[in-house]
Amino acid sequence: EAGVVQSPRYKIIEKKQPVAFWCNPISGHNTLYWYLQNLGQGPELLIRYENEEAVDDSQLPKDRFSAERLKGVDSTLKIQPAELGDSAVYLCASSSTGYTGELFFGEGSRLTVL
Amino acid sequence: RKEVEQDPGPFNVPEGATVAFNCTYSNSASQSFFWYRQDCRKEPKLLMSVYSSGNEDGRFTAQLNRASQYISLLIRDSKLSDSATYLCAVIAGNQFYFGTGTSLTVIP
Repeated sequence: EAGVVQSPRYKIIEKKQPVAFWCNPISGHNTLYWYLQNLGQGPELLIRYENEEAVDDSQLPKDRFSAERLKGVDSTLKIQPAELGDSAVYLCASSSTGYTGELFFGEGSRLTVL
Repeated sequence: RKEVEQDPGPFNVPEGATVAFNCTYSNSASQSFFWYRQDCRKEPKLLMSVYSSGNEDGRFTAQLNRASQYISLLIRDSKLSDSATYLCAVIAGNQFYFGTGTSLTVIP
């Protein structure tokens, strides 16, 4: 069975440019999460979806970040415009039903903003 | 104050050593507790859940102390392959919180 798939794995852009990340969760997983991880830090939640509904987006910087999960399956996270401080790894995770304890993470999308 | 705090280390230990990590959490109503392992430039993966009575999985033992609000991970007979970052995670208020991670390097 395929795990959580993310793309692109790496992205280098100049500041003020837009960028988008895509995530396909494990089949059947209703809950999808986007996390941000800076070097030497733990993952920090950006947004959590239950099916297509964003149930926790309190940590998402809504002035420049947006996310969608239109059909309750795959999801995209967009940053527009990107800032230098957005350089980080963006991790997508999924779980079968809410907080079961095991989050399955994708390999992450590493963003570098120059 | 952070929801979850860990000593970032690094911990450098010789093969065969026993090493312990602690993690404290601030919300006394926290419901569930976990240890995740993250290899360099890889994604976090669940190592083990932490139960109130404590639990063991081979060389790994996890314990929970609700009174003092901390969880611990003990690794016995360390192997080179144990080198990684160990993240504690807590579910509180219907949200998942991760610690900053503790870096472990096992030296030959």
